[in-house]
Amino acid sequence: QVQLVESGGGVVQPGGSLRLSCAASGFTFSNFAMHWVRQAPGKGLEWVAFIRYDGRSQDYADSLKGRLTISRDNSKNTLYLQMNSLRAEDTAVYYCAKASTTGYRTFDYWGQGTLVTVSS
Amino acid sequence: DIQMTQSPSSVSASVGDRVTITCRASQGINSWLAWYQQKPGKAPNLLIYAASSLQSGVPSRFSGSGSGTDFTLTISSLQPEDSATYYCQQANSFPLTFGGGTKVEIK
Repeated sequence: QVQLVESGGGVVQPGGSLRLSCAASGFTFSNFAMHWVRQAPGKGLEWVAFIRYDGRSQDYADSLKGRLTISRDNSKNTLYLQMNSLRAEDTAVYYCAKASTTGYRTFDYWGQGTLVTVSS
Repeated sequence: DIQMTQSPSSVSASVGDRVTITCRASQGINSWLAWYQQKPGKAPNLLIYAASSLQSGVPSRFSGSGSGTDFTLTISSLQPEDSATYYCQQANSFPLTFGGGTKVEIK
C-alpha cells in the first residue's frame, strides 16, 4: 500500500533553515508528481509546492517563493523541501502528498506530517 | 490567485441527517475541484475529485456536484464517523488553493 513518511521537522530559530524529507513506498514514485501542503496550528490547509514526476518542473505558493526549494531523488524514492529564512508564520505541520492518478493537481495520498516550529 | 470560499464554517446535525456544504470559486474552474475530509490529528483524506467523482473506498453517502464556480458536497445520511472538517480545493491552476474548511459535528 502507498506510504509516505515525512521527517526532518523540529524547532528552528527565526532566520534558520531546515530540510524536510518524505520517503515514499508502495507505488512507482518516479511516475507521479508530488506536493507539499502545510497546516498552521488550528488553521486550514495551505498548498506549498509542486514538483513534476521527473523533477524538471516546480511551482511554489507565491508567499513562499524564494525561500523554498522542492526537489526529489527518484533513485531513493524520496521527496525533499529545503526551507530557508524561516519565520514564525512558517510554524506548521508539513505534509507531503502524492499527486492523484486522475490529475496531478489533486492529492490522493498524504503522509502523517512533520511539525516545524519556528521560535527563538 | 483563485479564492475558494466555503460555507457554512460549521454545522451541527443529527445522525441520519442530510448535510450540504458549499464551495464557491472566485473564477471559473470547470470541474477541477476536490473535497477532503480531515479528522483531528490526522492527515486529510481525498473524498471527491473532478467535482463529482467518488474516490475509491469512500462511502457512497458522500457525493459532489457543481461546475464553474459553485460546488456542493453532500453527505446523504450523516454517520458518527463523519464528524470531521471538510475542505474543498481547486485543481484548475497553480497556485492551488483550499477553502477555509467546514467543521461537521454530530448533535
